[in-house]
Amino acid sequence: AQSVAQPEDQVNVAEGNPLTVKCTYSVSGNPYLFWYVQYPNRGLQFLLKYITGDNLVKGSYGFEAEFNKSQTSFHLKKPSALVSDSALYFCAVRPTGGGNKLTFGTGTQLKVEL
Amino acid sequence: DVKVTQSSRYLVKRTGEKVFLECVQDMDHENMFWYRQDPGLGLRLIYFSYDVKMKEKGDIPEGYSVSREKKERFSLILESASTNQTSMYLCASSSPWGQGNTEAFFGQGTRLTVV
Repeated sequence: AQSVAQPEDQVNVAEGNPLTVKCTYSVSGNPYLFWYVQYPNRGLQFLLKYITGDNLVKGSYGFEAEFNKSQTSFHLKKPSALVSDSALYFCAVRPTGGGNKLTFGTGTQLKVEL
Repeated sequence: DVKVTQSSRYLVKRTGEKVFLECVQDMDHENMFWYRQDPGLGLRLIYFSYDVKMKEKGDIPEGYSVSREKKERFSLILESASTNQTSMYLCASSSPWGQGNTEAFFGQGTRLTVV
């Protein structure tokens, strides 16, 4: 069965510092990987995805993520955090080999402070 | 832009009521999904539909049913609402997974409270 782990319930970062939100996955075969962001009382907004090709993927709002196959990880990063980045972040995985299921992690609350 | 619209942002229903949550998408997507979101549990898939009148159970289908009579509309039905169904419900749509390079697009969510 496929699964996603986000080991940190909350990440605190000072504005201007780099941020990392961790994600590891388990899936049969090769994965499609996604990051979504959720602001309070809103739906999920797509940030970026890894399908194939370069391991470093760039997305919306200056976010990027690095796919590491050997470590089965897809950590979300940003070089310089903003207070407005404070939100709930979800990692998701889907197998490339078929199947209809998009599986999400439990989410990581990012808090960026002045 | 893709738009996925859920009919209500907030709902309060009584235990035992039959509840309908409606979702409409405007991008001619084949796939539609219903998730529920609970703190500490992330998003859990309730049902998935890959075509009109076609559906698959997700991880937590008990107590729910779905209807997809038209391609753009996917309804979640709580046959007899219970307090443990109090949650945030999220609808999503996507192009067929077989087309590979696609992500799911989400509605704004419906926060359902069952009293």
